[in-house]
Amino acid sequence: DGGITQSPKYLFRKEGQNVTLSCEQNLNHDAMYWYRQDPGQGLRLIYYSQIVNDFQKGDIAEGYSVSREKKESFPLTVTSAQKNPTAFYLCASTQAGGNTIYFGEGSWLTVV
Amino acid sequence: EDQVTQSPEALRLQEGESSSLNCSYTVSGLRGLFWYRQDPGKGPEFLFTLYSAGEEKEKERLKATLTKKESFLHITAPKPEDSATYLCAVRGGAQKLVFGQGTRLTINP
Repeated sequence: DGGITQSPKYLFRKEGQNVTLSCEQNLNHDAMYWYRQDPGQGLRLIYYSQIVNDFQKGDIAEGYSVSREKKESFPLTVTSAQKNPTAFYLCASTQAGGNTIYFGEGSWLTVV
Repeated sequence: EDQVTQSPEALRLQEGESSSLNCSYTVSGLRGLFWYRQDPGKGPEFLFTLYSAGEEKEKERLKATLTKKESFLHITAPKPEDSATYLCAVRGGAQKLVFGQGTRLTINP
């Protein structure tokens, strides 16, 4: 089935550790995005990439990093510099020139 | 700056009781208004895209409408399975998608 796969679904991290969330899509979409969702708040854009080997900061990029070495993959690293990393993270993608963004199932990150 | 405000924050209805959710927006050069449905612990599921004032789209018990300042998601004779959070978002000239905080809808049997 075509879609966006995020892993792991649940992740626990100790303070001071970096963690990487995986996002893979087989929709042949050019653009990929990472959003963060906190309870009672709208989705906030962390990073986005419109083509391979290029990405831009969103509204809340501090404490996060990404890479886009392959069209299908856009991993997000939550670094120890992110002060409040516990949240629900959503990966999304869209076609080149397309307007509608499609989402993966999300990853829960909890700092313990 | 593009902004989206959804109301109410939460809505409880009885099965069969029709109602509407509101999405008010300000955007520079609207390139699309989007409605998504999100179930607890899952990613948003795309419902509709609207592009210009006067446009309407329907899917089962849902109908989305658009004016120059707001969009409504009308729910006709809802069922318990329609319970979810409904998210509204706009894309403007900056190409970024800006989301509202969502309306949590509960349909009681």
